[in-house]
Amino acid sequence: NAGVTQTPKFRVLKTGQSMTLLCAQDMNHEYMYWYRQDPGMGLRLIHYSVGEGTTAKGEVPDGYNVSRLKKQNFLLGLESAAPSQTSVYFCASSYSTGEIQETQYFGPGTRLLVL
Amino acid sequence: GNSVTQMEGPVTLSEEAFLTINCTYTATGYPSLFWYVQYPGEGLQLLLKATKADDKGSNKGFEATYRKETTSFHLEKGSVQVSDSAVYFCALKNFGNEKLTFGTGTRLTIIP
Repeated sequence: NAGVTQTPKFRVLKTGQSMTLLCAQDMNHEYMYWYRQDPGMGLRLIHYSVGEGTTAKGEVPDGYNVSRLKKQNFLLGLESAAPSQTSVYFCASSYSTGEIQETQYFGPGTRLLVL
Repeated sequence: GNSVTQMEGPVTLSEEAFLTINCTYTATGYPSLFWYVQYPGEGLQLLLKATKADDKGSNKGFEATYRKETTSFHLEKGSVQVSDSAVYFCALKNFGNEKLTFGTGTRLTIIP
């Protein structure tokens, strides 16, 4: 049981390049999330999904797209990377109900540097 | 909207010292409250949680009590160890809202 895994661990991009971050979970969770972590700002939600085939915007969605074609995978795409997207990206997942007490399980993070 | 305010770090303590990291929140209704911990180079792990007023969450010697009257969820530990060095995040989740709202994190360093 690997939990939540993220690929890649680290990436350097040039401004304008594109890339996709992959998140996979093996806990059969319905809900999945993408956050970014920046110094002094905690974690901010980019996009989330409440089930296969569904996605929704979080608080900082601009410049990112997501897809949830399979229940276990949640992809985060950057079509044209900008230096402001330099950050550490965390994926998380949780069970189906969306109850307020649900625990979110986090991956190890992807460190992205945009030059 | 929802917000979480955490004690600013970094915090440096000697081993076996008493720890308090303050957390206060603003939210509508009755949110659930969480403390997450992030060890160096790792993702966030749930440390403890409380889902209603006066509940006490506890784990690994850490405790936090949900205080509705003061809108607080302070993290405490009686005797810290070097292995407790990490960044600690307070967070809340409100009914009908899928997302967690995080504080900015408090970096804790324990010196032998």
